[in-house]
Amino acid sequence: ILNVEQSPQSLHVQEGDSTNFTCSFPSSNFYALHWYRWETAKSPEALFVMTLNGDEKKKGRISATLNTKEGYSYLYIKGSQPEDSATYLCSLGGGADGLTFGKGTHLIIQP
Amino acid sequence: GAGVSQSPSNKVTEKGKDVELRCDPISGHTALYWYRQRLGQGLEFLIYFQGNSAPDKSGLPSDRFSAERTGESVSTLTIQRTQQEDSAVYLCASSLMAGAGYGYTFGSGTRLTVV
Repeated sequence: ILNVEQSPQSLHVQEGDSTNFTCSFPSSNFYALHWYRWETAKSPEALFVMTLNGDEKKKGRISATLNTKEGYSYLYIKGSQPEDSATYLCSLGGGADGLTFGKGTHLIIQP
Repeated sequence: GAGVSQSPSNKVTEKGKDVELRCDPISGHTALYWYRQRLGQGLEFLIYFQGNSAPDKSGLPSDRFSAERTGESVSTLTIQRTQQEDSAVYLCASSLMAGAGYGYTFGSGTRLTVV
């Protein structure tokens, strides 16, 4: 069983500020790491799939980095907007099996 | 279809009754996954299908839970003799193939409440 830890559990950020949060995982037997955004009353939406150490991916104001040797990934949001309010899920894949998800970081952007 | 479709979106059932949840994945996606999220918990893996076979059933919480997939398409998750602890949002996802490098497309979920 893979142990995927996300921190913080929840986060309040002022509109316009930048923020980041962390996903930690065992560094051995790494296959891939996924980030998803889950807005209330909607389905989780894929943000990034990352497979290589040192990977850096960007989608608009959101970016993510990956360090497989030390077992962490950061998700960054630049210039937060109210529509960024959501739960951000990190998940780890162990080969052909289903992904193991962390409990998520619940982000609230305050106008 | 264009996305992953789940039905019903909400289900309230009495304790002890059986329920059936349906997932219609994206056409051409060979892998299909079931997860659930109970209140205050993270997403919990239940089962996945590659084609019509289920290589990993380890996540099913008890023998009251079963799932099948036919025609490499629709999947149903059946819960027999529901208990209150079965209350959760049940999410289905599909991906082009099984494997950690393939992103999931999730459905909107079925919110199950057992009273």
